[in-house]
Amino acid sequence: NAGVTQTPKFQVLKTGQSMTLQCAQDMNHEYMSWYRQDPGMGLRLIHYSVGAGITDQGEVPNGYNVSRSTTEDFPLRLLSAAPSQTSVYFCASSYGSGNSYEQYFGPGTRLTVT
Amino acid sequence: GIQVEQSPPDLILQEGANSTLRCNFSDSVNNLQWFHQNPWGQLINLFYIPSGTKQNGRLSATTVATERYSLLYISSSQTTDSGVYFCAVDYNTDKLIFGTGTRLQVFP
Repeated sequence: NAGVTQTPKFQVLKTGQSMTLQCAQDMNHEYMSWYRQDPGMGLRLIHYSVGAGITDQGEVPNGYNVSRSTTEDFPLRLLSAAPSQTSVYFCASSYGSGNSYEQYFGPGTRLTVT
Repeated sequence: GIQVEQSPPDLILQEGANSTLRCNFSDSVNNLQWFHQNPWGQLINLFYIPSGTKQNGRLSATTVATERYSLLYISSSQTTDSGVYFCAVDYNTDKLIFGTGTRLQVFP
């Protein structure tokens, strides 16, 4: 299994540009989520999904959109990039039910908005 | 929402020393996990431990849910243990809330 994969690893955007961060998992996990990590801080939840076709907002959803058309993929869209969105973005997945909540993280995408 | 506090914020050890990291949370939880973020940024799940005690090699964790804290023990630390340790919690909201972490540096 490849686990959780994210692309790209690095990205530089200009203010106002849009882009999509890709996330895929091959573990048949129902639960997927996106976090951002800023220097010296823990991870903050942006959006999450408990299954295909179902998404919901986390702590810091503004400026981001998500969709979940398949179990495997959970892309994160930046609609109009702002310098405040400079961060490292992590995607995670888990079975999300019962006693199988262990979260598995992707390697991260480092995004810089100038 | 639930507040998560971790202590100490920073810890410097010599190889071979033992350490205890603490996670306090402000409300009931049914999901508590410990993660290690290595110096290259990769996050690894160490324990899923909403209550009780678990051990994995030199690492062990104990959560006392009624008193709202969890402890991560690292014995005989190695340089590869360096990085940031995060505690994250949830109670039936599907939203994991992370603490700000404990940064551990282990020197030879």
